[in-house]
Amino acid sequence: RKEVEQDPGPFNVPEGATVAFNCTYSNSASQSFFWYRQDCRKEPKLLMSVYSSGNEDGRFTAQLNRASQYISLLIRDSKLSDSATYLCVVNSPGGNTGKLIFGQGTTLQVKP
Amino acid sequence: DAGITQSPRHKVTETGTPVTLRCHQTENHRYMYWYRQDPGHGLRLIHYSYGVKDTDKGEVSDGYSVSRSKTEDFLLTLESATSSQTSVYFCAISNPQGASDTQYFGPGTRLTVL
Repeated sequence: RKEVEQDPGPFNVPEGATVAFNCTYSNSASQSFFWYRQDCRKEPKLLMSVYSSGNEDGRFTAQLNRASQYISLLIRDSKLSDSATYLCVVNSPGGNTGKLIFGQGTTLQVKP
Repeated sequence: DAGITQSPRHKVTETGTPVTLRCHQTENHRYMYWYRQDPGHGLRLIHYSYGVKDTDKGEVSDGYSVSRSKTEDFLLTLESATSSQTSVYFCAISNPQGASDTQYFGPGTRLTVL
């Protein structure tokens, strides 16, 4: 079983749509959770951290369910510029190494 | 954007030759990481460093070595390049404090081994 699992997609949605991505992680001791965005042939960039109480940044909402070891990302009012791959990321627990575990990513294509 | 550069950005080399990739940061972050990214595998950690001269292996370290003689520079060496090491290599930096493990990535190096 992969440590971080995501549906690779692609998700093809029209502009203005709401789309949700999900991710599960295997190590219940993980404490830090993130969503990164990666554009084609570019480096991953932090989209948002995910907090236990859930958090929102503009059109983006992240949720964490520790009991189910499940993380979600909701994008409202999709824009063409949201087209990218979204990486679910959790920390590797044990020792202060700062190591992160990356999912393979979910590809989103927003169409006009 | 975090001050991270990688060099070279693109390289084509032949099997059996040594290759060194450089990561340079201006953020004075303590931790540095080397990843490779391949279709179907996502980002995989090769080696990481938690300080000058302090390094450790990641999940795919075979065939790679690293060195960190200064805070700002982290070198990745392919001792004898193979075609299976054709990949995109990303460097990342972080300054883990408490629960904040955010990593910031360099622009990547595309390596082709013929």
